[in-house]
Amino acid sequence: QSVLTQPPSMSGAPGQRVTISCTGTSSNIGAGYAVNWYQQLPGTAPKLLIYANNNRPSGVPDRFSGSKSGTSASLAITGLQTDDEADYFCQCFDSSLTDSWVFGGGTRLTVL
Amino acid sequence: QLHLQESGPGLVKPPETLSLTCTVSGDSISSRDHYWGWVRQSPGRGLEWIGKIHYIGSTYYNPSLKSRVTISVDTSKSQYYLRLTSATAADTAVYYCARLVGCSGGSCRFADWGQGTLVTVSS
Repeated sequence: QSVLTQPPSMSGAPGQRVTISCTGTSSNIGAGYAVNWYQQLPGTAPKLLIYANNNRPSGVPDRFSGSKSGTSASLAITGLQTDDEADYFCQCFDSSLTDSWVFGGGTRLTVL
Repeated sequence: QLHLQESGPGLVKPPETLSLTCTVSGDSISSRDHYWGWVRQSPGRGLEWIGKIHYIGSTYYNPSLKSRVTISVDTSKSQYYLRLTSATAADTAVYYCARLVGCSGGSCRFADWGQGTLVTVSS
């Protein structure tokens, strides 16, 4: 069971907007540590999509955005495209007993 | 452009030691601003951070693996290494090397990843 909780799966039609949630605790997201998001296309390595809650690395379309509030964070994807079909992971530092960088369990996004 | 490449045996017999190498090209492994890390991914455990190292040799390990993990670096070869002792079937996973940036106040991000290498632990 992951320290950061994500819905296992979500789906949306092309052109729609989807929001993927990442729920943490007071020892990670709620403690103010930055949340990062990764996209993993089938058969490839994860790719950094959003960093420090709401920043996009160079080359990432502005259809992708991140937000954070309290002990949760969200990744929003607008104008859904078939190429967005992938697994999405949130990641943060956890200062509890684990004292390490932790990932969410991942959300598989299907574009219908 | 940065390129990270994992290499090492794809099959390890329990309880032998799992050893992997990450070769860094396109950027200096001796950068003060970056750390170099290992992450693994398996169906049962998802993505799991293993540890990280700075070129000066300082290391930081996942507490759940700390007793079995050693990460080291050879700046002359632009390589860093993972050793995981007493391997079991639970260590079967795809192992990624990654560059960590922005590591202030605990907020590291895994900015660049290798393609990953599957390691199976089985007799």
